[in-house]
Amino acid sequence: SQELEQSPQSLIVQEGKNLTINCTSSKTLYGLYWYKQKYGEGLIFLMMLQKGGEEKSHEKITAKLDEKKQQSSLHITASQPSHAGIYLCGADASGTYKYIFGTGTRLKVLA
Amino acid sequence: GAVVSQHPSRVICKSGTSVKIECRSLDFQATTMFWYRQFPKQSLMLMATSNEGSKATYEQGVEKDKFLINHASLTLSTLTVTSAHPEDSSFYICSASGQGAGANVLTFGAGSRLTVL
Repeated sequence: SQELEQSPQSLIVQEGKNLTINCTSSKTLYGLYWYKQKYGEGLIFLMMLQKGGEEKSHEKITAKLDEKKQQSSLHITASQPSHAGIYLCGADASGTYKYIFGTGTRLKVLA
Repeated sequence: GAVVSQHPSRVICKSGTSVKIECRSLDFQATTMFWYRQFPKQSLMLMATSNEGSKATYEQGVEKDKFLINHASLTLSTLTVTSAHPEDSSFYICSASGQGAGANVLTFGAGSRLTVL
């Protein structure tokens, strides 16, 4: 069955530091999506990657998808307390919007 | 942009009662809606997929009679937790896709936290 592995599971960084979160699939994906979730709340869409080698940036967050479309990384530059939350990678493995999600990475940014 | 509204955001009920959670697409027609469940400190688990006007497709291990899903219109899907028990306490999130929503992107509701006493 399709699985998404995310690492690290949790991360505590000092404000201003850079960090990277990884998401790995055992199969080639139709699309890879990054969401942010604040504790006990809904999901906020961050970025969508569909092409092998694709890279997108929004403000201080950059996401990349490898050529094989099996691995993605999310990089935050100069982290801020507002970046704290749970980052989830989601994948559409069949092109039907039937997403599966990674286990999430809990990020805490210390001021 | 596409907006999905979920209601109620929090609900507390007694064991044995039924609870209904609504998921509405506010500015687009949601041909497909998905219901997820999230346990504390865990990721989202897909429960079922519902298409407007047809029966929901449940994931393996999800009890159809326990979690009733109705998708009667292009803007509304409901999840009813029947005869709720404390182990049904969880965070339930819906998402939707359809014409007028972001292409290839699911839009999520804000979630509903169910506590069964």
